[in-house]
Formats: sequence, structure tokens, C-alpha cells
Amino acid sequence: QKEVEQDPGPLSVPEGAIVSLNCTYSNSAFQYFMWYRQYSRKGPELLMYTYSSGNKEDGRFTAQVDKSSKYISLFIRDSQPSDSATYLCAMDTNAGKSTFGDGTTLTVKP
Amino acid sequence: EAGVAQSPRYKIIEKRQSVAFWCNPISGHATLYWYQQILGQGPKLLIQFQNNGVVDDSQLPKDRFSAERLKGVDSTLKIQPAKLEDSAVYLCASSLGAAGADTQYFGPGTRLTVL
Repeated sequence: QKEVEQDPGPLSVPEGAIVSLNCTYSNSAFQYFMWYRQYSRKGPELLMYTYSSGNKEDGRFTAQVDKSSKYISLFIRDSQPSDSATYLCAMDTNAGKSTFGDGTTLTVKP
Repeated sequence: EAGVAQSPRYKIIEKRQSVAFWCNPISGHATLYWYQQILGQGPKLLIQFQNNGVVDDSQLPKDRFSAERLKGVDSTLKIQPAKLEDSAVYLCASSLGAAGADTQYFGPGTRLTVL
């Protein structure tokens, strides 16, 4: 079993929809929880990171971490065609060694 | 600020051949990572350097893969000999430090196809 499991998708939504992306994990030592966006033929870029449990909001993006359930989510409000990409969750024990999920590919249709 | 540079962007080789990838991290970043990303999967860490020392190479197939970071700046990753299953994108990333809060910045990757 993988340490990090990510809802595989793909997801296809109309423009303006709310998108929910989710990951579960098994390693209780994870302390940092990240979401990356990866466009086709590009490297991942960090969208948001959260330390420990709780919510964090940045514009249209909200990251949630529930350590008791070992579950993290990324919500995208008012989704745009430019949000079409693969979203990767990643987790770190504070050693700088990130463990990634396998990604969810999102398509936002105009 | 210039990003992480990688070359070549694409490489096609026959199995059993050797290949090398180059990475130039963001200036001043002490930590450098090499990841392997197989199609449809997330990046998997191969090796992590702190300055020019290896911090973690537990997932590096050392019988065929090697990496070095000379003078704590540029890095090369080599595969010799290559196997079909090495077909993947090889991503280089760098960060200021090695803590979980240090943002990793990724390069565009080198897409390797082994025939």
C-alpha cells in the first residue's frame, strides 16, 4: 500500500464549478502537506502548503488538513479553464523529503 | 530570479546505452533533489543533496544510477546501462534548506525514452 493515495480522476467540470481534490495518507509522521499544480510538459509548481491540521485559504484555493482522519483536500472555487492541469498532493515529515500522490488531472471546460 | 535549469529537455536512447542529465539550481539554494516521474505517477525522490553531500539516496538504483553535485551547485544524474523501465521524466528541484517548510522549485524536466 502506498503511503499517499490520491483520488485518480480524471475530473472534467464546467467553468465556474467548485472542484474538490483529495488525498489520504498512512504515515502519521507527516507534518507538512502540499498541493502542486503541474501543466503538461512542465515541472510541478507549489500552490499551497499547510503545517499540521486546519484550513488555509489563498484566493480561489482552500487547503484542508484533517490529521485525525489522515485526509487532505484542495478546493478550487470559480474554476477557470486556466486551472486545467494535474494536481499533485505531497507530504513531508520535515526532512525535506516529499512523498507525492499520483495526481488528479483536471479539465475545466469553458 | 532565474528558475531551475535542466538539459537536455528530451533524450531518446537504446536500452543498455548510457545517458546523463544536467541540472543548475536556483542560485543560493543549498538543497538539490532529483526525482523520477513515470507517466501517470507522481514524482519519486531518487536522491537529495545538501550542498555537495548526499542526504538521502535510499531510492536510487545504485547498480545503474549515479549522481554528483560538484562544488555544491550544478548536478548531474547518470544512468548506465539504461533499461526500458527507466523511461520517465527526470525532474530536478532545489530549495533554500532541507526542512519541510522550504519550498521546492522544480525545473521543466528531461523526458527520457528508452527503446
